[in-house]
Amino acid sequence: DTGVSQDPRHKITKRGQNVTFRCDPISEHNRLYWYRQTLGQGPEFLTYFQNEAQLEKSRLLSDRFSAERPKGSFSTLEIQRTEQGDSAMYLCASSLGASGSTDTQYFGPGTRLTVL
Amino acid sequence: GENVEQHPSTLSVQEGDSAVIKCTYSDSASNYFPWYKQELGKRPQLIIDIRSNVGEKKDQRIAVTLNKTAKHFSLHITETQPEDSAVYFCAASRTRNTPLVFGKGTRLSVIA
Repeated sequence: DTGVSQDPRHKITKRGQNVTFRCDPISEHNRLYWYRQTLGQGPEFLTYFQNEAQLEKSRLLSDRFSAERPKGSFSTLEIQRTEQGDSAMYLCASSLGASGSTDTQYFGPGTRLTVL
Repeated sequence: GENVEQHPSTLSVQEGDSAVIKCTYSDSASNYFPWYKQELGKRPQLIIDIRSNVGEKKDQRIAVTLNKTAKHFSLHITETQPEDSAVYFCAASRTRNTPLVFGKGTRLSVIA
């Protein structure tokens, strides 16, 4: 499968624990995005990268959240001291980052986080 | 910041009928408007998109219209089929490569 991949697909944790998710974008895609989706809602933007540079963080991203893309390829999203309100589907997307008219954001399958 | 409103939240149509989903946006700087389809338990998948320099775009049974003056855009699905049943999301952003702001989604049910 050459699409965006995410690991793990499901994560159940206890409140207060730290969790880390990984996203592998489509090869040669320079831009990588993290979104969060709760039940019955559309995805909400969290943060995005151009290669290894983090370009923007949403106000939704509290200090407990940190994202990295150290080599400009895969990215990790870490949530420290998880809370029940963090339970959601965490979606990753990638795009070429080119200015051409055919570029688009492709989504991964998501990591479903349940905080007990 | 950008705000995208989507209506209706649920839509049921008979197989073969047309379905229309409408979205409005607030940021006049938005220039890119994609539509994603999400089946239960699956990832959002792009079905069609439109840029602000175009008023209408069509791909087989799916079309999107954009009224930039009024800041609204719509998805039209003709000759609906049961496999069109899914949640559809509209979104807006400044370019193809900047963060998307999504509507809350429309759950479309096509009844055979």
